[in-house]
Amino acid sequence: GQSLEQPSEVTAVEGAIVQINCTYQTSGFYGLSWYQQHDGGAPTFLSYNALDGLEETGRFSSFLSRSDSYGYLLLQELQMKDSASYFCAVASGTALIFGKGTTLSVSS
Amino acid sequence: DVKVTQSSRYLVKRTGEKVFLECVQDMDHENMFWYRQDPGLGLRLIYFSYDVKMKEKGDIPEGYSVSREKKERFSLILESASTNQTSMYLCASESRGLGETQYFGPGTRLLVL
Repeated sequence: GQSLEQPSEVTAVEGAIVQINCTYQTSGFYGLSWYQQHDGGAPTFLSYNALDGLEETGRFSSFLSRSDSYGYLLLQELQMKDSASYFCAVASGTALIFGKGTTLSVSS
Repeated sequence: DVKVTQSSRYLVKRTGEKVFLECVQDMDHENMFWYRQDPGLGLRLIYFSYDVKMKEKGDIPEGYSVSREKKERFSLILESASTNQTSMYLCASESRGLGETQYFGPGTRLLVL
């Protein structure tokens, strides 16, 4: 079967650094995406890794290791507005396969 | 600015009713998707379409059908709504590719009584 595993919840304080891990097992793999969803809102695209290594976009970075079937989203200098759900998703060649999401709670 | 719109934000229907959810995108994207989102289950793919008049089943197509008569519009149909179809329904579109970036609509929260 196809599966993506990520932690269900993570908590942190403002200014901290948080890493959300994602391991996957899929029949096809073209890349790993990350999406952010605020409560009541639509998922929005954050990043995409097709190759091994680290991609940095401002305070957010995403990492992929294809050999380990593993990736992570790194959020730095956390702000209250980063409180949201974060989904990893694998591009398998037909459609995106989403993980169940990680709820990040940032407190002051 | 990229835009995906859905016909309703909130919808209340009765068991057995036929329900139409519409999604329109203005980005000339080839690919469109319908998901449902339930607490603890993440996003599950119902149907997707790679072109006009073309459809493919996703992971949970039972009880649903779709229609894509025009490139910009992708409709989800619940033939006979049931209470277990109460959910948040999300539409998404992407340019033809390998799934790098999907753009989501605001979602329709459907309650079936």
